[in-house]
Amino acid sequence: QVQLEESGPGLMQPSETLSLTCTVSGFSLTSNGVGWVRQPLGKGLVWMGTIWAGGSTNYNSAVQSRLSISRDTSKSQVFLKMNSLQPEDTGTYYCARHANTYAFDYWGQGVMVTVSS
Amino acid sequence: DIQMTQSPASLSASLEEIVTITCQASQDIGNWLAWYQQKPGKSPQLLIYGATSLADGVPSRFSGSRSGTQYSLKISRLQVEDIGIYYCQQASSAPLTFGSGTKLEIK
Repeated sequence: QVQLEESGPGLMQPSETLSLTCTVSGFSLTSNGVGWVRQPLGKGLVWMGTIWAGGSTNYNSAVQSRLSISRDTSKSQVFLKMNSLQPEDTGTYYCARHANTYAFDYWGQGVMVTVSS
Repeated sequence: DIQMTQSPASLSASLEEIVTITCQASQDIGNWLAWYQQKPGKSPQLLIYGATSLADGVPSRFSGSRSGTQYSLKISRLQVEDIGIYYCQQASSAPLTFGSGTKLEIK
């Protein structure tokens, strides 16, 4: 069955670079896009970016200058890298699969990232 | 960017009651609209895609509709397991945007 699992460090210092990995199973990254969605504690969902099945990417303009999403199809992994972290980047980061309707039909369990000195 | 204005922000309803949540898109998004439910401490779950199609495994008491650029999620008979926060999301064009959420509680 379709599964996504995020992994990465839970605590980061301001100005550091965040690296998260989303490991997927049950589908191919060349068939479905995978997006990253952030949720600050107690707040709503914010789309950060997506790597599409063909390998192209789209980013939220609010973080575009700091964000990079890539993948390794042979390992079924999608990577998020975001530099110049600030406390406002604190939150739960989800990776999620795009259905062909571009909705997110499967989500990972999320990884909590805290940016604090 | 396409703005999704969701209302109400919170809602308290009785069991078996009909509940409706709406999202207004700032421009035409066709049927590129999804609804999600997020229970406390859990990941969001897809309820409705394509504005009106029920996702796999979602109870039939959930339904979606569209009138122009206004979209609605209806729960026909509220159950206790329906408590949580509901979000709409437009999937028409990047940047993908979510509504601000509706917190649903049982009265």
